Amino acid sequence: QKEVEQNSGPLSVPEGAIASLNCTYSDRGSQSFFWYRQYSGKSPELIMFIYSNGDKEDGRFTAQLNKASQYVSLLIRDSQPSDSATYLCAVRGEFSGGYNKLIFGAGTRLAVHP
Amino acid sequence: DAGVTQSPTHLIKTRGQQVTLRCSPKSGHDTVSWYQQALGQGPQFIFQYYEEEERQRGNFPDRFSGHQFPNYSSELNVNALLLGDSALYLCASSSRGELSGNTIYFGEGSWLTVV
Repeated sequence: QKEVEQNSGPLSVPEGAIASLNCTYSDRGSQSFFWYRQYSGKSPELIMFIYSNGDKEDGRFTAQLNKASQYVSLLIRDSQPSDSATYLCAVRGEFSGGYNKLIFGAGTRLAVHP
Repeated sequence: DAGVTQSPTHLIKTRGQQVTLRCSPKSGHDTVSWYQQALGQGPQFIFQYYEEEERQRGNFPDRFSGHQFPNYSSELNVNALLLGDSALYLCASSSRGELSGNTIYFGEGSWLTVV
């Protein structure tokens, strides 16, 4: 079992719709969870991070965390063509020792069509 | 305030050769991590340096080695290159004392092609 799993996609949504991206993780001791956006040929860009169970909203983005189910998701409201990218889920484990080691999923490719 | 800078941005090497990639962390950061991202995959953790020592290491062979200098900059060295080493190599900088996720910054990466 991979440590962080994501559906590779592509996830295709029409412009203006809600895009829902999902991620599961295996380390029950994981403490911090991150969503990165990566455009083709570019480096990852942090969108959101979440530590506590529940929802965290930032503009059009909402991260949801359920530690009991070991599940984290990202919702993108009013999706725009410029949101088309690969979205990477990353987890910082319990035993990182304070050194900020991240474990990434393989990413979900999102395509927003006009 | 400069962010994380990496060099070179692109390079092509032949199998069996050696390569050195360089990273300067964001001002105020003291920890440098290196990741390898193969095409279609997420970044994979190679190792992390703090106080000029390797602190954590991922599942990579000894052909991958690194160094951190007193000014916190870092190098990643890969010996005996294989075709499978072709990837985007990412440097991430952070502060040892800061555990918030929003303080991890990635550089633009170095694209390595092994032919």
